[in-house]
Amino acid sequence: DIQMTQSPSSLSASVGDRVTITCQASQDISNYLNWYQQKPGKAPKLLIYDASNLETGVPSRFSGSGSGTDFTFTISSLQPEDIATYYCQQYDNLPPLFGPGTKVDIK
Amino acid sequence: EVQLVESGGGVVQPGGSLRLSCAASGFTFDDYAMHWVRQAPGKGLEWVSLISGDGGSTYYADSVKGRFTISRDNSKNSLYLQMNSLRTEDTALYYCAKDRVGATTAGFDYWGQGTLVTVSS
Repeated sequence: DIQMTQSPSSLSASVGDRVTITCQASQDISNYLNWYQQKPGKAPKLLIYDASNLETGVPSRFSGSGSGTDFTFTISSLQPEDIATYYCQQYDNLPPLFGPGTKVDIK
Repeated sequence: EVQLVESGGGVVQPGGSLRLSCAASGFTFDDYAMHWVRQAPGKGLEWVSLISGDGGSTYYADSVKGRFTISRDNSKNSLYLQMNSLRTEDTALYYCAKDRVGATTAGFDYWGQGTLVTVSS
């Protein structure tokens, strides 16, 4: 199985800050990576697909980059409504495993 | 508007069985693979199983292989998960999720709100 790691596991930032989360795959997954946002008590929501493509309706302050084994997710200007846990997920191979998640809080 | 509505969760004793259902609407159901993803209380997301659009191919996480069976009824736009020999570690919120592009898997673009399964004596 392809294992996914994320860092940090949690972070606290101020409104307006730039926030960056990294995700690493245990082997080359090309750009077969998605990012999801999960707010407390809610189902996950797809934000970024194919490593860097913004899902329809998702604010442009969210972005993704990377290929191969190393990926980055960025919130360019953190907003109060961005408080959530963010997960990366590979789909190069089955099983389509998720990373452990990064919890984002407001400082 | 795509909607996925899960049902069938509940409390069951270890070793027991439960059948989850997911009613889908707002898209051409048989064009898309469908998935079950679960989340144990306070934990991360765990993919459980997928079924192809025509129902001919199924895949399972090692943790549930041989105990869970995924199926679908395209005439009813419905997805199912038969869960047998349940263990305490199967306790989780179970989500039904639609595949993003219809193939085996490209991720999940729509999710239901989940149905809670609690395995406890």
